[in-house]
Amino acid sequence: QVQLVQSGSELKKPGASVKVSCKASGYTFTSYAMNWVRQAPGQGLEWMGWINTNTGNPTYAQGFTGRFVFSLDTSVSTAYLQISSLKAEDTAVYYCASSSWLNPWGQGTLVTVSS
Amino acid sequence: QPVLTQPPSASASLGASVTLTCTLSSGYSNYKVDWYQQRPGKGPRFVMRVGTGGIVGSKGDGIPDRFSVLGSGLNRYLTIKNIQEEDESDYHCGADHGSGSNFVKVFGGGTKLTVL
Repeated sequence: QVQLVQSGSELKKPGASVKVSCKASGYTFTSYAMNWVRQAPGQGLEWMGWINTNTGNPTYAQGFTGRFVFSLDTSVSTAYLQISSLKAEDTAVYYCASSSWLNPWGQGTLVTVSS
Repeated sequence: QPVLTQPPSASASLGASVTLTCTLSSGYSNYKVDWYQQRPGKGPRFVMRVGTGGIVGSKGDGIPDRFSVLGSGLNRYLTIKNIQEEDESDYHCGADHGSGSNFVKVFGGGTKLTVL
């Protein structure tokens, strides 16, 4: 069964960093790109970018450069999203999703930034 | 890149049918659109992709036959027949633009479907 399982919720203080993981199973991890999508509370979906799971080359959408880093550990079929210098406006649910079709999705990781 | 426009809300009675619309901005009439369902408190799931010729590829896992799509001009439609309570969800559309390092995925604002 193809699935993506993400790490659990995080509560962080402003200025801290967070690393979200997304573990794939049921398919060959390097066969499909991995995307990251943000959903702020009560808002729609916002595509953050993608990472080529063969080369590790990331592509970031506008607004997600600088503090956001996509990475991989192909030995454990896992993609990571790291956000540094967290701000209150980073509070959101972060999803990973496989392939350009965004199928399947992880269950989401809630990152809350609050002092 | 295209802009996708969705009505913020829609409603339909149990057992009825409803058609949700995603409209591409001018000049993008050949673009395919992906539909995603997001049930309350859950993550999105892929429903199906639609172009001007109808469905592209296969439906997402577990998507019932009651769900179908059409494409015409700048509009991409998702129709749900015999609506059930579990269909009450936010429905998002998305489209791909560009390739490689220029690839972008854009989303519409989403439509909240209420089952009456």
